[in-house]
Amino acid sequence: IAGITQAPTSQILAAGRRMTLRCTQDMRHNAMYWYRQDLGLGLRLIHYSNTAGTTGKGEVPDGYSVSRANTDDFPLTLASAVPSQTSVYFCASSDAKGPGELFFGEGSRLTVL
Amino acid sequence: GQNIDQPTEMTATEGAIVQINCTYQTSGFNGLFWYQQHAGEAPTFLSYNVLDGLEEKGRFSSFLSRSKGYSYLLLKELQMKDSASYLCAVMDSNYQLIWGAGTKLIIKP
Repeated sequence: IAGITQAPTSQILAAGRRMTLRCTQDMRHNAMYWYRQDLGLGLRLIHYSNTAGTTGKGEVPDGYSVSRANTDDFPLTLASAVPSQTSVYFCASSDAKGPGELFFGEGSRLTVL
Repeated sequence: GQNIDQPTEMTATEGAIVQINCTYQTSGFNGLFWYQQHAGEAPTFLSYNVLDGLEEKGRFSSFLSRSKGYSYLLLKELQMKDSASYLCAVMDSNYQLIWGAGTKLIIKP
């Protein structure tokens, strides 16, 4: 089934640990995004990539890094996790030729203690 | 600053009609999106408006007035499965999406 796969679906992490959230899509979309969703707030863009080999900072990039070595994969790394990074993380992709409809993964729920 | 406002929560009755409003103030405008998100799941695309007027898609319709910075999502013949959060998002002049916090819609029998 075509779509976006995220892993892990849920993780509890000690503060200070390094964590990578994985995201893979099989739709050959050029653009990919990482969002965090917190209660009472809209989705906030962390990082994005318009095409393989390029990345950009979103609204809340501090403490996160990404890479885009190929079209399909867009991992998000927390170098040293802090409790304020407790959130639900969504990876998304879009076909840049369209009106911008986003296709989301199922989310990764991260708890930093 | 950029801002998207929508009600936090609404309640409606099965079989009825509900209108969810969204007002926005953004740097430029390149379209407005509505997404549906069931609890614990990913958002899914519902509609896209870039020109003024009403776009109808089955039981769901979306309206846009660019001069008023206003949109609404109209849901007809409500079903229990429509219980979800509805997210309004505007694409600004830099083609970045600005998201509202979402409206939680509760459907009662």
